Amino acid sequence: EEQLVESGGGLVQPGESLRVSCAASGFSLNSYTMSWVRQAPGKGLEWVSYIGISSSDIRYADSVKGRFTISRDKAKNSLYLQMNSLRDEDTAMYYCARERGGYYFDTWGQGTLVTVSS
Amino acid sequence: EIVLTQSPATLSLSPGERAALSCRASQSVSRSLAWYQQKPGQAPRLLIYDASNRATGIPARFSGSGSGTDFTLTISSLEPEDFAVYYCQQRSNWLFGQGTQVEIK
Repeated sequence: EEQLVESGGGLVQPGESLRVSCAASGFSLNSYTMSWVRQAPGKGLEWVSYIGISSSDIRYADSVKGRFTISRDKAKNSLYLQMNSLRDEDTAMYYCARERGGYYFDTWGQGTLVTVSS
Repeated sequence: EIVLTQSPATLSLSPGERAALSCRASQSVSRSLAWYQQKPGQAPRLLIYDASNRATGIPARFSGSGSGTDFTLTISSLEPEDFAVYYCQQRSNWLFGQGTQVEIK
């Protein structure tokens, strides 16, 4: 079964950093473009970041540009999101998602909750 | 930036009824539009991609139509498990619509 499992979420204070991870099983994450999508409590879905197969093509939403860094570890079949200078408005469930067709997401993890609060 | 507007915000229907959800783009997205279903406490699930292609394992009661700026997700006969929030999404910056809640009347 193809599966994505996120981890690393938690409670942090504004201005702090956190790294969330996404481990793939049942398929090679290295063969797919991947994204992070977040959802604030009670709100809709917001795309956060994208990474191409070669990792040379990386994009960010304006809301996180300059603060978040996406990366992948081919040996560990994993995806990461390093989040620095966290703000209250970054509080959300963070999902990793496998992209197909250049835009849609056919496989999602269960999410990891990041709470930014003092 | 292409904006997606979903309507209605909430749709109140009974099991067995037909649901029609609208997604309108501020400019043409051709047929690059996907639909997702999300239930409380769960991750989104892909239903439809490229406007009208059902994803793997999606029941035939779900269908998508449209092109350009106007798209519709139709559920031909609502099952109890179909009551959920539905999102559309397009290619440009992977933007999502704000969602339509389908609730039990």
